[in-house]
Amino acid sequence: QSALTQPRSVSGSPGQSVTISCTGTSSDVGGYNYVSWYQQHPGKAPKLMIYDVSKRPSGVPDRFSGSKSGNTASLTISGLLAEDEADYYCCSFAATYTSVVFGGGTKLTVL
Amino acid sequence: QVQLQESGPGLVKPSQTLSLTCTVSGVSISSGDYYWSWIRQPPGKGLEWTGYIYYSGSTFYNPSLKSRVTISLDTSKNQFSLKLSSVTAADAAVYYCASMNSGGHYFDYWGQGTLVTVSS
Repeated sequence: QSALTQPRSVSGSPGQSVTISCTGTSSDVGGYNYVSWYQQHPGKAPKLMIYDVSKRPSGVPDRFSGSKSGNTASLTISGLLAEDEADYYCCSFAATYTSVVFGGGTKLTVL
Repeated sequence: QVQLQESGPGLVKPSQTLSLTCTVSGVSISSGDYYWSWIRQPPGKGLEWTGYIYYSGSTFYNPSLKSRVTISLDTSKNQFSLKLSSVTAADAAVYYCASMNSGGHYFDYWGQGTLVTVSS
């Protein structure tokens, strides 16, 4: 069971948009619409930002959006704010062993 | 509002068993709405799913840990627990308990996390 592949870091200036990719296989990301994204600030617990590929929980700004194409899911953050600087993790249901698998995490820096 | 709180020793000796408990409030762990989960994060590293348990008692474990991990329910206390045997330094991590929504396999509520150090 391999971790999903994310870029280690991305950056953008305030007001810009950034996209974080998450690549898996047909047994996880590509096979199910059960991709979720989490934001984690230092020393804090992760926070759900996107679920079921593109749905936003109540309270999450609409600047955050998710999508999927084939075996790759993406998180896009538009109108970057300083408070968006954090680590972001993708997660997918994986048919193998009826489990879930996380990506390695992406550090977002707001310049 | 669902709330989760981890508790347990912060220090475990190598080769011993790590034991943590998660106390849930705001929902009954006997409901079918969630899988009750453990996720860990070694210092400076990413998240790793450890396993989860359903209200029925069915358990699902990370294959890399399966031989050492046990997750159980205590419905009388609205708690669920993690036991990880034969720990090594590689098991040192912040351990989070979380609720995984049974409808979509996403973790919507998390505990604050508890740091477990492995050292003699």
